[in-house]
Amino acid sequence: AQTVTQSQPEMSVQEAETVTLSCTYDTSESDYYLFWYKQPPSRQMILVIRQEAYKQQNATENRFSVNFQKAAKSFSLKISDSQLGDAAMYFCAYRGSARQLTFGSGTQLTVLP
Amino acid sequence: DGGITQSPKYLFRKEGQNVTLSCEQNLNHDAMYWYRQDPGQGLRLIYYSQIVNDFQKGDIAEGYSVSREKKESFPLTVTSAQKNPTAFYLCASSRTSGRAGETQYFGPGTRLLVL
Repeated sequence: AQTVTQSQPEMSVQEAETVTLSCTYDTSESDYYLFWYKQPPSRQMILVIRQEAYKQQNATENRFSVNFQKAAKSFSLKISDSQLGDAAMYFCAYRGSARQLTFGSGTQLTVLP
Repeated sequence: DGGITQSPKYLFRKEGQNVTLSCEQNLNHDAMYWYRQDPGQGLRLIYYSQIVNDFQKGDIAEGYSVSREKKESFPLTVTSAQKNPTAFYLCASSRTSGRAGETQYFGPGTRLLVL
């Protein structure tokens, strides 16, 4: 069974600075997708970014980018120019042949003004 | 507006009572999902449905039941057999379930509390 681990329960960043959230996963599959979801205080889950395992190029969405290291099974999220609205719980998730999302336990990000 | 709605926002259950959480989507998605979220944990899959009149158990299906009679609707019943139902419940949908990269879109959630 696949597992997703987020080893940082809480992180903080100064407004306008850059922060990196860590995620590692365990799988024996070669074809899969990885996702980062954001859950603000409203608790609505919002997709931030996704990465296809067979693509070497790291995904980027505006201020959000990933560092995907397939051999190391690492999938970190970098948030540049952090804004107050980025404060949320961030979840890393895996989806492979089972077609169900497996989530990590989350990282609570605080943005300091 | 297209999206996923869940009702109620808060739900209270008495001991031994069955309660049903509603999930409706107007995105014309084939696949729908139910997740449970507990404090300090990520989401765990309860049930999912790939198509009307079909559904499969997820990782924590015991004490729950679902139906999928219409494409738009995927209600979740929390039965009296579920001994620790207090949690936040999230419904999601995706266009299909056949591709791993298919994005799942989430509803706003229902908070279930036991009296």
